[in-house]
Amino acid sequence: DTAVSQTPKYLVTQMGNDKSIKCEQNLGHDTMYWYKQDSKKFLKIMFSYNNKELIINETVPNRFSPKSPDKAHLNLHINSLELGDSAVYFCASSRGWGTNYNEQFFGPGTRLTVL
Amino acid sequence: DQQVKQNSPSLSVQEGRISILNCDYTNSMFDYFLWYKKYPAEGPTFLISISSIKDKNEDGRFTVFLNKSAKHLSLHIVPSQPGDSAVYFCAALSKANFGNEKLTFGTGTRLTIIP
Repeated sequence: DTAVSQTPKYLVTQMGNDKSIKCEQNLGHDTMYWYKQDSKKFLKIMFSYNNKELIINETVPNRFSPKSPDKAHLNLHINSLELGDSAVYFCASSRGWGTNYNEQFFGPGTRLTVL
Repeated sequence: DQQVKQNSPSLSVQEGRISILNCDYTNSMFDYFLWYKKYPAEGPTFLISISSIKDKNEDGRFTVFLNKSAKHLSLHIVPSQPGDSAVYFCAALSKANFGNEKLTFGTGTRLTIIP
């Protein structure tokens, strides 16, 4: 029973292509996130959605467009891929309410390589 | 601008000894701190956290210490076990963001426990 799953696990593509990464969580969480881990191992938040509504957008290029068809899914679509987009992308989810820290549960990551 | 820093990219410790991982932060708005653990080909998993109202939090073999004046926290693992070999990420956020946690991560420290 995978709590947060991502597909595909690996993605190799040419510069200029458009690709999507899918994320699904079965934890009943309200908030989902996308993080990017670059070649320097810096794990940085890109987006967060709460109940399908965009909450955080960390100055990510417009080529990146998250889409949340429902609370359990947050997909990441990337247009016109560039070499610098090569990274590991992690999806995460959390309960998304309350006055205490809501633990974020991460997916296994998608390694994107742009050639 | 790296607001959370882990200056040691790697650390090797003998099994049974104490492992000490360090983390520094610069943003005074951070008042909640976490450690995440990551195995290869998996996403990070939550390990332990501490609020700025405390200076120590303990959970089994793991203890996190916070020195607010120095903007420094550390994770102590004692005794270290082979299964502790992983990359450890320090993360921070403001409690005002509880409910939509925007984590700022360090670059990680790779801990290797030598049998």
